[in-house]
Amino acid sequence: KAGVTQTPRYLIKTRGQQVTLSCSPISGHRSVSWYQQTPGQGLQFLFEYFSETQRNKGNFPGRFSGRQFSNSRSEMNVSTLELGDSALYLCASSFLEADTQYFGPGTRLTVL
Amino acid sequence: QKEVEQNSGPLSVPEGAIASLNCTYSDRVSQSFFWYRQYSGKSPELIMSIYSNGDKEDGRFTAQLNKASQYVSLLIRDSQPSDSATYLCAVNIRGAQKLVFGQGTRLTINP
Repeated sequence: KAGVTQTPRYLIKTRGQQVTLSCSPISGHRSVSWYQQTPGQGLQFLFEYFSETQRNKGNFPGRFSGRQFSNSRSEMNVSTLELGDSALYLCASSFLEADTQYFGPGTRLTVL
Repeated sequence: QKEVEQNSGPLSVPEGAIASLNCTYSDRVSQSFFWYRQYSGKSPELIMSIYSNGDKEDGRFTAQLNKASQYVSLLIRDSQPSDSATYLCAVNIRGAQKLVFGQGTRLTINP
């Protein structure tokens, strides 16, 4: 069974731009969670989607948004990028909410 | 009190010794517990899950769960330099229906 895939793997943007990251979960998984990880920091929870509905949201500004499609694929969007948004963005999928999560390889975003 | 707490380390262990990683959690009704390993610059990978009190062994790894004391630990026997990584504990917080991760413990195995 194929694992979680994330595209793109690397991204360089400038301040003020917006970015969209994509995540395809493991086949059959209906829950997708997004995390931000900066150097030396733990996983900061962004949001979780289950069956196209946002179920949980972390403490991030409204510039961070996401959605999930009927095929469980998910996208997250960051608008008006700031330097502090430079991070590794991780997507994880699970069969059910709050279940065992399997992580994708991540998208490394650099904001210049 | 944080929902899931880990000692951030770094924890330094000589090669061949037992590495012991600990995690405490606040939700008394949590049912599912997970340990992940994350190498620098990589994404977390699942090592093992545990759901019942007691020990669960998988190769050189043993997870221990004590629900009464609200802690879960991971033992790594015969530690190898390749075990050097950050270890993340995750707990299912039933009330909020979400999986919460600790901040992780950085482990270094010294040859």
